[in-house]
Amino acid sequence: EAGVAQSPRYKIIEKRQSVAFWCNPISGHATLYWYQQILGQGPKLLIQFQNNGVVDDSQLPKDRFSAERLKGVDSTLKIQPAKLEDSAVYLCASSLGLAGGFGYEQFFGPGTRLTVL
Amino acid sequence: AQSVTQLGSHVSVSEGALVLLRCNYSSSVPPYLFWYVQYPNQGLQLLLKYTSAATLVKGINGFEAEFKKSETSFHLTKPSAHMSDAAEYFCAVNGGTSYGKLTFGQGTILTVHP
Repeated sequence: EAGVAQSPRYKIIEKRQSVAFWCNPISGHATLYWYQQILGQGPKLLIQFQNNGVVDDSQLPKDRFSAERLKGVDSTLKIQPAKLEDSAVYLCASSLGLAGGFGYEQFFGPGTRLTVL
Repeated sequence: AQSVTQLGSHVSVSEGALVLLRCNYSSSVPPYLFWYVQYPNQGLQLLLKYTSAATLVKGINGFEAEFKKSETSFHLTKPSAHMSDAAEYFCAVNGGTSYGKLTFGQGTILTVHP
């Protein structure tokens, strides 16, 4: 079974530029998550989708971050414009369970390491 | 709101020694608890999870954790450390109205000395 795929693996940009990350979840997984992991911290949820609808985006800085999951499969996370503090690893995860279902394992991709100069 | 506190950002053990990584949680509802491991430049991999069945949970690679409600703890242990266990470990909680999202602790880096 193929795992969660993410691209690119690494990205270096200058502040005020825009960047996009792509995620393809495990086939059949209804729920998709984007987490931000700043160096030295645990991952923090940015946004959660169930199929192609947003379940939770309370921690997403909506003035600069946006995400979509068209057709309920793969997803794109965008930052525009980027700030220095956006330097982090962006992790995508997917889960078989539906939102509101607890105890389901989340499967993580390898992440995209973003450096903003 | 839920939260997780991992005591000790760095733990160092000798190969063959006991591994003990501490995790305390805060939750207003019965929690579901997880331990994940992250190797350098990789995503997170599930070690084990507690979902209100047995309080002693066994996971992969010889790790286990015990859920103690009275102490609000879910500490991770392994009787004998191996060099390959060197990684960062994260404790996480979900439950209640969090819609399945995980709230993570800050992580503990485990170093194993030969």
